Amino acid sequence: QKEVEQNSGPLSVPEGAIASLNCTYSDRGSQSFFWYRQYSGKSPELIMSIYSNGDKEDGRFTAQLNKASQYVSLLIRDSQPSDSATYLCAIGGTSYGKLTFGQGTILTVHP
Amino acid sequence: DTEVTQTPKHLVMGMTNKKSLKCEQHMGHRAMYWYKQKAKKPPELMFVYSYEKLSINESVPSRFSPECPNSSLLNLHLHALQPEDSALYLCASSQTRIIGGDSNQPQHFGDGTRLSIL
Repeated sequence: QKEVEQNSGPLSVPEGAIASLNCTYSDRGSQSFFWYRQYSGKSPELIMSIYSNGDKEDGRFTAQLNKASQYVSLLIRDSQPSDSATYLCAIGGTSYGKLTFGQGTILTVHP
Repeated sequence: DTEVTQTPKHLVMGMTNKKSLKCEQHMGHRAMYWYKQKAKKPPELMFVYSYEKLSINESVPSRFSPECPNSSLLNLHLHALQPEDSALYLCASSQTRIIGGDSNQPQHFGDGTRLSIL
């Protein structure tokens, strides 16, 4: 089992829809959870961080964390074509400074 | 504009060359990182510096040599690289661990250096 698994893509949604990206992890000691967006040919850009169970909202983005079930998700409301990118889930475990990345989910928002 | 600046943006070098990648951050962070990213793969951690000291080396070959001259600068010296080392090299920075806490702080990436080995 991979340490961090993301839902296999690519994921295609129509403009204005909700895009749902999921990530599960195996290390129960994980403390920190991040979502990065990476456009093709560019570097990863931090869009959300979450540390406690529950929901965290920032604009059109909502991160959801459930430590008991070992999953973290990202919802993008009112998806726009500019949201088309690869979304990387990154988990901080017990070794400080080390993030474990998922393989990424490619999201395409079509007009 | 990114607050982590990497130079050069592109680098082409032969297998016998020596070159350096540079990274500078103006966020007041005391932890800095080097990652390697191949196409369609997630970033792979190479090195972590905390308070200018090397804290993590992910068993990186010695042809990659990191250096942290001060709290704002991070270099990656390259020598005798192989064609499979061609990749996007990313620098990142973050705050260090909060006293009494265990959580990792968010890492902020530079734009990267795209390296091609001939």
